[in-house]
Order: sequence, then structure tokens, then C-alpha cells
Amino acid sequence: GEDVEQSLFLSVREGDSSVINCTYTDSSSTYLYWYKQEPGAGLQLLTYIFSNMDMKQDQRLTVLLNKKDKHLSLRIADTQTGDSAIYFCAESTGNTPLVFGKGTRLSVIA
Amino acid sequence: DAMVIQNPRYQVTQFGKPVTLSCSQTLNHNVMYWYQQKSSQAPKLLFHYYDKDFNNEADTPDNFQSRRPNTSFCFLDIRSPGLGDAAMYLCATSTPDGGVDEKLFFGSGTQLSVL
Repeated sequence: GEDVEQSLFLSVREGDSSVINCTYTDSSSTYLYWYKQEPGAGLQLLTYIFSNMDMKQDQRLTVLLNKKDKHLSLRIADTQTGDSAIYFCAESTGNTPLVFGKGTRLSVIA
Repeated sequence: DAMVIQNPRYQVTQFGKPVTLSCSQTLNHNVMYWYQQKSSQAPKLLFHYYDKDFNNEADTPDNFQSRRPNTSFCFLDIRSPGLGDAAMYLCATSTPDGGVDEKLFFGSGTQLSVL
């Protein structure tokens, strides 16, 4: 079945850029998503990218998609303490529900 | 504001005692989902409703059931909770456009403890 893999932890200093990586196995993925989960809260959609795109930028967020390598990344510029959270990568083929990774816990050190 | 609301925020139940978790939405989305999330794990889809059509995941235990009496409300019933059912339960909605766009809108979750 489909699988989405992420590293579990990332620690960065405030003001630096964070890069969270994700790999997936389903080559028929149509959309790829990044969700953010703050402590004790539900998941919040941050951004998403359609599979025919290589890059999408939204303010401090940049999503890069390498479809050949099935690799997705989320770059957060000028990382702030409020960015500390768990970031989930997810993929969808459009015909089946989302498949989530286990999440990357981002810690921002002041 | 349109949103997905889960009640209660925290729920404590006893081993084997039935419990119901609630979800309501003001987004008028036609799809509602229930996910189970354990610590350091990916959210695991239990089932979802597409309008009134119920879709159960193959590995969802029979102990978990769901009801959707109308567009706005969806309930998760755990008939006989075990210790392994302690988790965060997340409700989500979506309104797929041609079945392609799966943007999910999540509630804040209900943290279930089983004593």
C-alpha cells in the first residue's frame, strides 16, 4: 500500500530556515499536502501542491516537489518559536483518503 | 466562523464502558472523517461518510462504529473501550471537487483516556 515517510525530529535556531523532508511511494499521487499540528490541537492545512508543479511559494513557506524521486520538502524561512509544532506530510490520489506520514516534530530554539 | 467542533475536549472512560465522541461542522461539507491518532503516530483513518454513504476502513475494529444523523453531525461510538483505544480522536471534513481535492479541515480532537 501507499507509504509516506518523514524524519521524526528537527531542531533549528530562531531566524534560521527549516527544511522538513518527506518521501512517498505512490507514483499516482495527485496532491501532496503539509499539515501543522500544535500541541493538543487538530491538524491545520498549511499548504499543498498539485503533482504537476515543482514548486509553490506562500509567504515564508516554500514547497518543493521532485516527482521523479517522490520527494517533497517544506522550507520555512525565518523560523519563529510559533512555528514549533508537528508537521505532517500527506498524499492523495484523489480516489482514496489521505495517507499521512508520522510527522516531524520541529523545535525552534530561541 | 465556519469550523469543525469536537466535544468533549477530554474524555475519560472505564475499561469496557461504552463511550460516544461528537463532532459537528458548520462548513456544510459532504464528507466527514474519523481518525485515531496515538502518540508519535500518523493519524489513522477509521471510517468516513460521503454524504450518507458509510465507508469503513478494512482494519478498523468492530468495536468502533459511527453515526451521521445529518450533514452537520457525526458520532464515534466505542462499544467496549480497551486500554489500547486510548488516543486522540480527530474529526475532519472535506468537500471533494470531482474527487480530486482532499483538503481536510480538522477539529481540535478529543483525547480519550481509558482507565
